[in-house]
Amino acid sequence: GNSVTQMEGPVTLSEEAFLTINCTYTATGYPSLFWYVQYPGEGLQLLLKATKADDKGSNKGFEATYRKETTSFHLEKGSVQVSDSAVYFCALSSGNTGKLIFGQGTTLQVKP
Amino acid sequence: EAEVAQSPRYKITEKSQAVAFWCDPISGHATLYWYRQILGQGPELLVQFQDESVVDDSQLPKDRFSAERLKGVDSTLKIQPAELGDSAMYLCASSLEGSTNEKLFFGSGTQLSVL
Repeated sequence: GNSVTQMEGPVTLSEEAFLTINCTYTATGYPSLFWYVQYPGEGLQLLLKATKADDKGSNKGFEATYRKETTSFHLEKGSVQVSDSAVYFCALSSGNTGKLIFGQGTTLQVKP
Repeated sequence: EAEVAQSPRYKITEKSQAVAFWCDPISGHATLYWYRQILGQGPELLVQFQDESVVDDSQLPKDRFSAERLKGVDSTLKIQPAELGDSAMYLCASSLEGSTNEKLFFGSGTQLSVL
């Protein structure tokens, strides 16, 4: 079945450091891929998405490229801020229902 | 921006009791999802509605869980009887049509603790 695997956290970085959170997926067909973010005490929010191979999603300085050959969708940011501290979820959607399958989440803590 | 409303925010109950959670999606959103998020894990879909009809409830433990969306607007998720393993965050989400590329809007969730 379809599944998503993320790198284990927590990830602790200093402000302005480079961020990579790895995400790989298993899916039949051609899924759409997403990154959602959950700030403390809040619901999940869409951060970025990509709907086909080689697409790059970007938002708020974050980027991720849909790599079909490696079945990956790694999240990157060149310079993290304290306000980026949150839990990040990689997810996929396939079929016609919009149902999301999530990875286990990666906690990011950015220290000043 | 419009939000998905959920209540209560927190619920503490004893095992074998009944609990219910309520969700009001963004106005006009036909698709409503209930997810369960166990601590340290990603959300897992329990049930999906398209208007008032269930589209997917394959992961819903039907011996104790039930969900309804009678008028195709707000929804209630019920657990009876609650078990210790039901302790989790219950998230409601909605989207306009339920298509593959759509953004889901999530509520803040109901944190359930079963003692």
